[in-house]
Amino acid sequence: DAGVIQSPRHEVTEMGQEVTLRCKPISGHDYLFWYRQTMMRGLELLIYFNNNVPIDDSGMPEDRFSAKMPNASFSTLKIQPSEPRDSAVYFCASSLKVRTGKNFGEGSWLTVV
Amino acid sequence: QKEVEQDPGPLSVPEGAIVSLNCTYSNSAFQYFMWYRQYSRKGPELLMYTYSSGNKEDGRFTAQVDKSSKYISLFIRDSQPSDSATYLCAMNRDSSYKLIFGSGTRLLVRP
Repeated sequence: DAGVIQSPRHEVTEMGQEVTLRCKPISGHDYLFWYRQTMMRGLELLIYFNNNVPIDDSGMPEDRFSAKMPNASFSTLKIQPSEPRDSAVYFCASSLKVRTGKNFGEGSWLTVV
Repeated sequence: QKEVEQDPGPLSVPEGAIVSLNCTYSNSAFQYFMWYRQYSRKGPELLMYTYSSGNKEDGRFTAQVDKSSKYISLFIRDSQPSDSATYLCAMNRDSSYKLIFGSGTRLLVRP
């Protein structure tokens, strides 16, 4: 059983560049979540989808951040333009029900220089 | 004040010790409580999931919830070096999607 798959695992980019992070949730999971983890702020929920529809994006820090889920097996988180303070680990997670435990991917480690 | 407080550690114990990890919280509406384990450079992995108060046991792991004290614990018996990781508590309200995470406690089990 494949878990949540994220790509790229590591990304180093220059300030001002566009960054696209990708996620494939576990098949059959109706909920998909994007989290960001930093030393200072811990794990923060950015946005979540239910059946491919964005439900709550109140955690998205700025308009530079956007997320899409064009189908049940794929989601993207885009940062344009990127800034050094966006450097963090971005996790995608999926679950069967919204309140149950979530399965996390291995994360995308982003460094913006 | 954060909604969920967790001592960051690190907590260093010898192999075979009983480990106690704890979180306190301020929101009495929290009903669902979880513990995640996160190895270095990996994603969090769900260990235990409990609803409301009480104990739950799974192998060497026991989760306890004391809602009257707003305190949850994770006990690890016969700790192993492979248990060395960061342990994150998480919780949410009934009918809420928003999981609130603690900052994590780093555990080191010495051989």
